[in-house]
Amino acid sequence: GNSVTQMEGPVTLSEEAFLTINCTYTATGYPSLFWYVQYPGEGLQLLLKATKADDKGSNKGFEATYRKETTSFHLEKGSVQVSDSAVYFCALRGGTSYGKLTFGQGTILTVHP
Amino acid sequence: GAVVSQHPSWVICKSGTSVKIECRSLDFQATTMFWYRQFPKQSLMLMATSNEGSKATYEQGVEKDKFLINHASLTLSTLTVTSAHPEDSSFYICSARVGTATYEQYFGPGTRLTVT
Repeated sequence: GNSVTQMEGPVTLSEEAFLTINCTYTATGYPSLFWYVQYPGEGLQLLLKATKADDKGSNKGFEATYRKETTSFHLEKGSVQVSDSAVYFCALRGGTSYGKLTFGQGTILTVHP
Repeated sequence: GAVVSQHPSWVICKSGTSVKIECRSLDFQATTMFWYRQFPKQSLMLMATSNEGSKATYEQGVEKDKFLINHASLTLSTLTVTSAHPEDSSFYICSARVGTATYEQYFGPGTRLTVT
């Protein structure tokens, strides 16, 4: 079956530091890949997506590239801000399970001034 | 953007009682709603998928008689945890999708259920 593995947190960084949150997946077919962010007290929001190999999703300074050869979709940001503090979830939607999302366990990011 | 609300945000109930959680799409019509369960420091686990006016489709291992899902309108789905027990304590999250030709799901903020 489908599965997503994220690097364990929590991750604590100083403002303007470089961020990487690793995500690898197992899936049949050709999945679409997503990063969601959950700010305190709010619902999950779609941060970025990639639907095929070598696609790069980007939003709000965050980027992730769909690497089929390494089955990875690592999230990166060059300079984090305090406002980026949140929980980040990697997810996939399998080619044979339309609409169903499989999530990683989430990574808590805390950015200090 | 599209907003999904959940009510209540936090509920405590006694063992053996039932509790209902509402999920509403506030500014769009949701043809499909999803219910997830999240344990501390763990992933979101899909419990069931419901389409408006149809019976919900439950994931393997989820007791349909215990977790009753109703999706009676395009803006409201409810999850009723019947005869709740302490092991049902969890964070329940709903999401909603517009139509079938899109991947986008909009998530509610979640409901924390504690069964004593």
